[in-house]
Amino acid sequence: GEDVEQSLFLSVREGDSSVINCTYTDSSSTYLYWYKQEPGAGLQLLTYIFSNMDMKQDQRLTVLLNKKDKHLSLRIADTQTGDSAIYFCAERGSGGYNKLIFGAGTRLAVHP
Amino acid sequence: DGGITQSPKYLFRKEGQNVTLSCEQNLNHDAMYWYRQDPGQGLRLIYYSQIVNDFQKGDIAEGYSVSREKKESFPLTVTSAQKNPTAFYLCASSVFVSGTPTEAFFGQGTRLTVV
Repeated sequence: GEDVEQSLFLSVREGDSSVINCTYTDSSSTYLYWYKQEPGAGLQLLTYIFSNMDMKQDQRLTVLLNKKDKHLSLRIADTQTGDSAIYFCAERGSGGYNKLIFGAGTRLAVHP
Repeated sequence: DGGITQSPKYLFRKEGQNVTLSCEQNLNHDAMYWYRQDPGQGLRLIYYSQIVNDFQKGDIAEGYSVSREKKESFPLTVTSAQKNPTAFYLCASSVFVSGTPTEAFFGQGTRLTVV
């Protein structure tokens, strides 16, 4: 079945890089997404990667995709306190209605 | 500005009551979705709609109902049949481009509490 797994918590020092990891099971997924959720708010799309890509960079964000291992990572360079949030990995399932399969989310805590 | 608006932000319900959560979008998106979020869990799909007057059950539709009479609106009713309705509810929308759905845009959520 379809499943997405993430570690639940990550703590980093301000200015360091953060790496949030995700594994998924649906090998037919065409798009994989990273969303950010701040407390009490909805989800904000950060970035996405198409399955035929290995890497995508967008300013401080770098997404790496290892399709063979079904592993996705999000690297945030120069992590700031404003980056503290929950980060969700999601894959678009093989159904045609954009059903997104979400992981449980990784809570990123940035400390001085 | 275009976006998705959910209301109310907080909602309290007595046991045995039905309540309706509002979701409106002015993005001209075809597809709309309702997700439920519980602490420590990912989002779970309740219902989705690809076009007006059509909607389909998601993974956890029991105890919920929806309607899609207008493209802009996709209200969710939490009925008394839903045994554990306390949760954070998120509405989302997306558009199909050449038959391929784009990423989903989310509203700010409604926190429902049963008292």
